[in-house]
Amino acid sequence: DTGVSQDPRHKITKRGQNVTFRCDPISEHNRLYWYRQTLGQGPEFLTYFQNEAQLEKSRLLSDRFSAERPKGSFSTLEIQRTEQGDSAMYLCASSLEGPPYEQYFGPGTRLTVT
Amino acid sequence: QQPVQSPQAVILREGEDAVINCSSSKALYSVHWYRQKHGEAPVFLMILLKGGEQKGHDKISASFNEKKQQSSLYLTASQLSYSGTYFCGTEIVGGGNKLTFGTGTQLKVEL
Repeated sequence: DTGVSQDPRHKITKRGQNVTFRCDPISEHNRLYWYRQTLGQGPEFLTYFQNEAQLEKSRLLSDRFSAERPKGSFSTLEIQRTEQGDSAMYLCASSLEGPPYEQYFGPGTRLTVT
Repeated sequence: QQPVQSPQAVILREGEDAVINCSSSKALYSVHWYRQKHGEAPVFLMILLKGGEQKGHDKISASFNEKKQQSSLYLTASQLSYSGTYFCGTEIVGGGNKLTFGTGTQLKVEL
């Protein structure tokens, strides 16, 4: 399968714990995006990378969230000191560097904070 | 600012047509359409770039009115497999390549 993959698919954690998610983009895609989706809502942009450079981060994103893409391939999203409000589906997408920037989504990681 | 979709929900009988609209208050570079089934990731349908083009494949097509910052998704001769929530994602001019997703349209196709 050459699509976007994410790991784990589900994560249950207790409030205050740290969690880390991984995303592997489509191999030839330079751009990688993270989104968050809550029930009944559309995905909400968190951050995106071109190769290893983080080009933009949502102003709404708490400092507890950090993302990396150290070698320009896979990316990790870490949430520190999780809160119940962090419970959501975390989606990763990837696209080519040039237009038309079609973004293809992975299956997501569903986070439940208890 | 989040684009507005209409209608919020629609129920069709198999074979009927539907139109889903997406409207933005900002100048758009592109509009992306996705379908999402419950518990699954959004699936890319098509992208429309600034220029007012219309696209389509199979029985799903879309248009982009650049002057009005509106896009419409047309579903013809609907099939059961078309059921799901449809989202438009918009890229604003000068806003980078992140997508701002609309409020979603729930579509259900029945026999």
